Amino acid sequence: DAGITQSPRHKVTETGTPVTLRCHQTENHRYMYWYRQDPGHGLRLIHYSYGVKDTDKGEVSDGYSVSRSKTEDFLLTLESATSSQTSVYFCAIRSILAGHNEQFFGPGTRLTVL
Amino acid sequence: QKEVEQNSGPLSVPEGAIASLNCTYSDRVSQSFFWYRQYSGKSPELIMSIYSNGDKEDGRFTAQLNKASQYVSLLIRDSQPSDSATYLCAVSPNAGKSTFGDGTTLTVKP
Repeated sequence: DAGITQSPRHKVTETGTPVTLRCHQTENHRYMYWYRQDPGHGLRLIHYSYGVKDTDKGEVSDGYSVSRSKTEDFLLTLESATSSQTSVYFCAIRSILAGHNEQFFGPGTRLTVL
Repeated sequence: QKEVEQNSGPLSVPEGAIASLNCTYSDRVSQSFFWYRQYSGKSPELIMSIYSNGDKEDGRFTAQLNKASQYVSLLIRDSQPSDSATYLCAVSPNAGKSTFGDGTTLTVKP
């Protein structure tokens, strides 16, 4: 399972509240990713990180911020949650051993914004 | 046009048949191609990677890549009910990011 955990696994929150999702990995991977998955849209990249304090935007980054202060943790923050951010969020890592951007996913976080 | 397009589903095949899943991509600089399987309520699982034109076989799975046609496919031989899942195609230019298709849902009927 590439040693990836996500917390919380489920969360229900209200519109306008801040939410932080955590991705933790134990294998010292350099690249980490946050995706959201919605019916009919597949996986869409929100943000990714290529090292401690090095992050970049993906295709659906509006309304999200990220931080990576340690190699093992990649945090995704919704500063003010909206109903459109109700989704399943997956964290992924890139395995450097593979060398070709093979990504491995965490178990996911189901977020509901009421 | 989407960057990565997969054949619309759902796809239904009888047990023991060959399931064929197709994917086209628009970015000609793409170098790496992946197939992920996702069971309902679970996370995507990498099942095949292919980087060169031609076929790559792994057990009952065969990935086929044609860069000139910008086409990648996945064949599942002797399909089993346990193969019922959504299959995601992903394409990467080797710049650290991948783009995923919307997925094709496969049902294998006993």
